[in-house]
Amino acid sequence: DAGVTQSPTHLIKTRGQHVTLRCSPISGHKSVSWYQQVLGQGPQFIFQYYEKEERGRGNFPDRFSARQFPNYSSELNVNALLLGDSALYLCASSSSGLGMGGMGYEQYFGPGTRLTVT
Amino acid sequence: AQSVAQPEDQVNVAEGNPLTVKCTYSVSGNPYLFWYVQYPNRGLQFLLKYITGDNLVKGSYGFEAEFNKSQTSFHLKKPSALVSDSALYFCAVSPLTGGFKTIFGAGTRLFVKA
Repeated sequence: DAGVTQSPTHLIKTRGQHVTLRCSPISGHKSVSWYQQVLGQGPQFIFQYYEKEERGRGNFPDRFSARQFPNYSSELNVNALLLGDSALYLCASSSSGLGMGGMGYEQYFGPGTRLTVT
Repeated sequence: AQSVAQPEDQVNVAEGNPLTVKCTYSVSGNPYLFWYVQYPNRGLQFLLKYITGDNLVKGSYGFEAEFNKSQTSFHLKKPSALVSDSALYFCAVSPLTGGFKTIFGAGTRLFVKA
């Protein structure tokens, strides 16, 4: 079975531009989470979606938004890019159900999208 | 504020020796606890988790972790290290309240010398 896939692999944008990152979860997984990983730090939680609804949001500005589609794939959008948005953006899927609030299930991570803002 | 601390940036151990990678957390209640590993040029991989029950949990590749509620710690251990264990290890915590989120530590680089 295919793992979590993300596109594009690398992206270079200019300050002020907008970017859309895409993620396809493992088949059968209904939960998708997004993380930002800056070099030398652990992943920082941005969003979690389950059944197309936002279930969790981290401490990121409103420039960051996301959505989940009926096939459970997901997009992360970032508006008005800043230099500080340069990072590796990770998507993770899990087979979480509402019973445990989606919190007790291990996550499977994609390879990430490396975003560079110049 | 909720946080996860991995006090050692790097742990060095000789092959065949036991290893410990430390993790402490500051989260209200009894959170779910995880360890993930990141090998060079590969994505984050799940190692093990603690939900409830026995304080010693076993995971992939011979790793285990010990949950200590009083010390709010979840240290990763392995009885005999392999050179191939050299990687970046992340401790992660999911609080039971406040909506879904996973808080990761900054990571500990494990270097196993032959």
